[in-house]
Amino acid sequence: AQSVTQLDSHVSVSEGTPVLLRCNYSSSYSPSLFWYVQHPNKGLQLLLKYTSAATLVKGINGFEAEFKKSETSFHLTKPSAHMSDAAEYFCVVSGGSSNTGKLIFGQGTTLQVKP
Amino acid sequence: NAGVMQNPRHLVRRRGQEARLRCSPMKGHSHVYWYRQLPEEGLKFMVYLQKENIIDESGMPKERFSAEFPKEGPSILRIQQVVRGDSAAYFCASSPEGWSYGYTFGSGTRLTVV
Repeated sequence: AQSVTQLDSHVSVSEGTPVLLRCNYSSSYSPSLFWYVQHPNKGLQLLLKYTSAATLVKGINGFEAEFKKSETSFHLTKPSAHMSDAAEYFCVVSGGSSNTGKLIFGQGTTLQVKP
Repeated sequence: NAGVMQNPRHLVRRRGQEARLRCSPMKGHSHVYWYRQLPEEGLKFMVYLQKENIIDESGMPKERFSAEFPKEGPSILRIQQVVRGDSAAYFCASSPEGWSYGYTFGSGTRLTVV
């Protein structure tokens, strides 16, 4: 069975400093992994996805994530935080060997960006 | 391209009433997924539908919840005899040929049961 654990429920950074949001996954086969962002009262926007190609994945808005199979991790990073990055971030793994499209969401990490 | 459209954005129902949530997928998308987000939690899969077919409903509560995606018109998530615990944000996503092509999520319907 697939699962995903976001190691921090809340991360606070100052504007212009690096962002690190941590995610570990569990999967019985090669997973597809995603990061989504959710701004308050809005829908979810796909930041990036890993689907067994390059292990370093570049996404939108300067975010990137590295797939590390040995560590079962898929941490999200950004070199310099912007105020507009303040939002809820979800690490997601594709679930189920039946390929029905079921996504397994982490509990979310709230990113606060201080001026 | 209007994206995935969900309506209403906000829905208030009294306990015991029915809630009907609508989702119009992106143009050309024939796969629809429903997810529920309870307060302070991540999204949980509910059901996966293609036109006129339910493919995977393993996340649907056994009672009171049903979903359909007719040949014409939007997908509907129906909750009968709502209870306070049904209060949540319900998100719909669509894809063209299956999840591996990527989802597009709607903005959600926020259901409040009073």
